[in-house]
Amino acid sequence: AQSVAQPEDQVNVAEGNPLTVKCTYSVSGNPYLFWYVQYPNRGLQFLLKYITGDNLVKGSYGFEAEFNKSQTSFHLKKPSALVSDSALYFCAVRDRGFQKLVFGTGTRLLVSP
Amino acid sequence: DTAVSQTPKYLVTQMGNDKSIKCEQNLGHDTMYWYKQDSKKFLKIMFSYNNKELIINETVPNRFSPKSPDKAHLNLHINSLELGDSAVYFCASEGTARNTIYFGEGSWLTVV
Repeated sequence: AQSVAQPEDQVNVAEGNPLTVKCTYSVSGNPYLFWYVQYPNRGLQFLLKYITGDNLVKGSYGFEAEFNKSQTSFHLKKPSALVSDSALYFCAVRDRGFQKLVFGTGTRLLVSP
Repeated sequence: DTAVSQTPKYLVTQMGNDKSIKCEQNLGHDTMYWYKQDSKKFLKIMFSYNNKELIINETVPNRFSPKSPDKAHLNLHINSLELGDSAVYFCASEGTARNTIYFGEGSWLTVV
């Protein structure tokens, strides 16, 4: 069965600095990989996905993620963090043969002014 | 024009009651889901329907019964509510390409 690990419960970064939120996955075959963001008392918003093709995927709000097959990772990045980026970020994986989207435990991003 | 809408957003009810959460999507998708987010923010799939047919049922107590009257709607009915049912329930949908799931805003259920 597929699984996702987000090793950091929380990431703290100062506004203007680059940010990275880590994600590693386990799946049989080639994965579909996703990042979602959840703001307080809100639903999950889709940020970006990797299906196939270029390993560097660009998404909403200036976020990007790099698919690394050898390291089974899909880290979320942004060159310059904003205070408004503070939220809960979820990495998710789907085995192409299955229908379930399996989520990591989430990483809280706190961007300080 | 909310793509996936759920009602109610907040629900406080007593143990033993029966309640329903409704979900509608206007994206023309044919697959809909219910996910549960617990107090630790962990997200787990509960059910999935494709064209009104149940395709995923994840070891959820049979007090939870989803109903899909048409492919744009997936409602969740919960019988005999327990304290442990307190959570956020997210409805979601997906199109035929099956490569991106879109979530609603969530329904915060508190059982007292």
